[in-house]
Amino acid sequence: DTGVSQDPRHKITKRGQNVTFRCDPISEHNRLYWYRQTLGQGPEFLTYFQNEAQLEKSRLLSDRFSAERPKGSFSTLEIQRTEQGDSAMYLCASSPRMNSDTQYFGPGTRLTVL
Amino acid sequence: GENVEQHPSTLSVQEGDSAVIKCTYSDSASNYFPWYKQELGKRPQLIIDIRSNVGEKKDQRIAVTLNKTAKHFSLHITETQPEDSAVYFCATKTGGFKTIFGAGTRLFVKA
Repeated sequence: DTGVSQDPRHKITKRGQNVTFRCDPISEHNRLYWYRQTLGQGPEFLTYFQNEAQLEKSRLLSDRFSAERPKGSFSTLEIQRTEQGDSAMYLCASSPRMNSDTQYFGPGTRLTVL
Repeated sequence: GENVEQHPSTLSVQEGDSAVIKCTYSDSASNYFPWYKQELGKRPQLIIDIRSNVGEKKDQRIAVTLNKTAKHFSLHITETQPEDSAVYFCATKTGGFKTIFGAGTRLFVKA
């Protein structure tokens, strides 16, 4: 499968715990996005990477959220001190290098905070 | 601020009829307008997109129209089929990196 992959697919955690999700974009896609999607809503932009540089971060994103893409390939999204309101589907998407805004989404990680 | 409004939230049509979904946006700098289809439990997938220098684009049974002056764009699906049943999201992208999605339209195509 050469599409965007995410791990884990499901995560259940207790309030206050930290969680980390991984996204592997399509090979040679240098642009990577993280989104959060809640039931009945469209994906909400969280952050954007071009290669290893984090170029944009949503103002709505609290300091408990952090993302990295250390070598410009896979990316991780960490949520510290999880809250019940963090329960959602976390989607990753990637785009090719040049002249393409098409985003290819991964299957998502569904987070449930108890 | 940046905002995309999508209507209707739910749309039910008879197989073979047409379906139209409309979106309005607030940021006049928006220059890219994709539409995504998301089936239950699956990832969003791009079905068609349009750039701000084009007024209309068609791909088989799917078309998108853009009115930059009025800041709205629409998705048109003709000859609907049961497999078109899904949630459809419009989105906009400005010259920056952020993509703003609408809240989605749940389309039901009745056989």
